[in-house]
Amino acid sequence: SQTIHQWPATLVQPVGSPLSLECTVEGTSNPNLYWYRQAAGRGLQLLFYSVGIGQISSEVPQNLSASRPQDRQFILSSKKLLLSDSGFYLCAWGGPQAYEAFFGQGTRLTVV
Amino acid sequence: GNSVTQMEGPVTLSEEAFLTINCTYTATGYPSLFWYVQYPGEGLQLLLKATKADDKGSNKGFEATYRKETTSFHLEKGSVQVSDSAVYFCALSDDGANSKLTFGKGITLSVRP
Repeated sequence: SQTIHQWPATLVQPVGSPLSLECTVEGTSNPNLYWYRQAAGRGLQLLFYSVGIGQISSEVPQNLSASRPQDRQFILSSKKLLLSDSGFYLCAWGGPQAYEAFFGQGTRLTVV
Repeated sequence: GNSVTQMEGPVTLSEEAFLTINCTYTATGYPSLFWYVQYPGEGLQLLLKATKADDKGSNKGFEATYRKETTSFHLEKGSVQVSDSAVYFCALSDDGANSKLTFGKGITLSVRP
């Protein structure tokens, strides 16, 4: 069966520090991969998605970037965090011919 | 572009009460529709889905019917339990099977014993 791993679960970082969140998927190949952010009271916002290695689409301009160095690995990064980057970050995957997405457990990021 | 509108929350019910959470959507083409549930501190879990008009998705006593004529996908459960307390998100996918989802804002359900 397919599983998705996301870490760390919680993270407290100072303003101006770098960020790296990692997500890996097991039990499938060539998945579509997604990064969402959930801010308090604002639902889920799609940040990035990828349909293959090295292929990244950005949905909103921001202080973050994403990379997909391997087929089942998706990384969310920032060079310098802002206070507004605080939130709950969720990685998700979907099959190339699937309608739904499956989510990891999320990372709670607090920028102080 | 696509959008999903959920009723305002939060919602508080007593155990065994009937639940309805409204969801309407705007989309081009023929999207698939979903309800996801998020328990405290966790990621989202797919609760149910419907991929074409008049389909009924169901799971764990929850149901929702894809109504194209009213562009709605309301979530219902006949008798809620304390364990149903969570945040519920309505979502749609783009036309086509690519799993790229647009979400509503979510609604918090609290069920009292």
